[in-house]
Amino acid sequence: DGGITQSPKYLFRKEGQNVTLSCEQNLNHDAMYWYRQDPGQGLRLIYYSQIVNDFQKGDIAEGYSVSREKKESFPLTVTSAQKNPTAFYLCASSGQLDNSPLHFGNGTRLTVT
Amino acid sequence: AQSVTQLGSHVSVSEGALVLLRCNYSSSVPPYLFWYVQYPNQGLQLLLKYTTGATLVKGINGFEAEFKKSETSFHLTKPSAHMSDAAEYFCAVSDQRYGGATNKLIFGTGTLLAVQP
Repeated sequence: DGGITQSPKYLFRKEGQNVTLSCEQNLNHDAMYWYRQDPGQGLRLIYYSQIVNDFQKGDIAEGYSVSREKKESFPLTVTSAQKNPTAFYLCASSGQLDNSPLHFGNGTRLTVT
Repeated sequence: AQSVTQLGSHVSVSEGALVLLRCNYSSSVPPYLFWYVQYPNQGLQLLLKYTTGATLVKGINGFEAEFKKSETSFHLTKPSAHMSDAAEYFCAVSDQRYGGATNKLIFGTGTLLAVQP
């Protein structure tokens, strides 16, 4: 079955450490996205990529970095510069038509202590 | 700029009762509108979407939504709630600030639906 796989489901890190969240899709979608979800705040866009080797900042990119070396993969690194990294992170992908819905992975819950 | 407002962060209904989840949007261009559902510790699943054409949109699981341009609303309804409908629901509008062929969405803050037996 086609879909988006995020791993791991739960991740624990100490403050000051960088951590990378994995996102892989087999939907043959060109566009991929990373959203952050906090209680009561909905989803906020971190980074997005329309095509391989290209990506743009979203609304809350500070303290995060991404890469897009393959169409299927869009890993997100949460760096030590991110002030409040504890959150639920959601990866999504979509086709290129401008009303194509987003398909989401099941998320990674990151806890930094 | 586009924005989405969901009235009521928590809604509780009895099983079999009408479900009404409210969503108002702001957009300077004709919007694309979406409703997503999220079950605990899972990703979001598309319920339905409005792009153009018929203003009453039917989705999965018996849900539907009506686009009302004059009221800038896109409320989600279901005639009879089921226990399995308990989840968080997000309304979203297409984010057209940056242009280009992407489908970035601006999400509302969500409405948690509880269904009482």
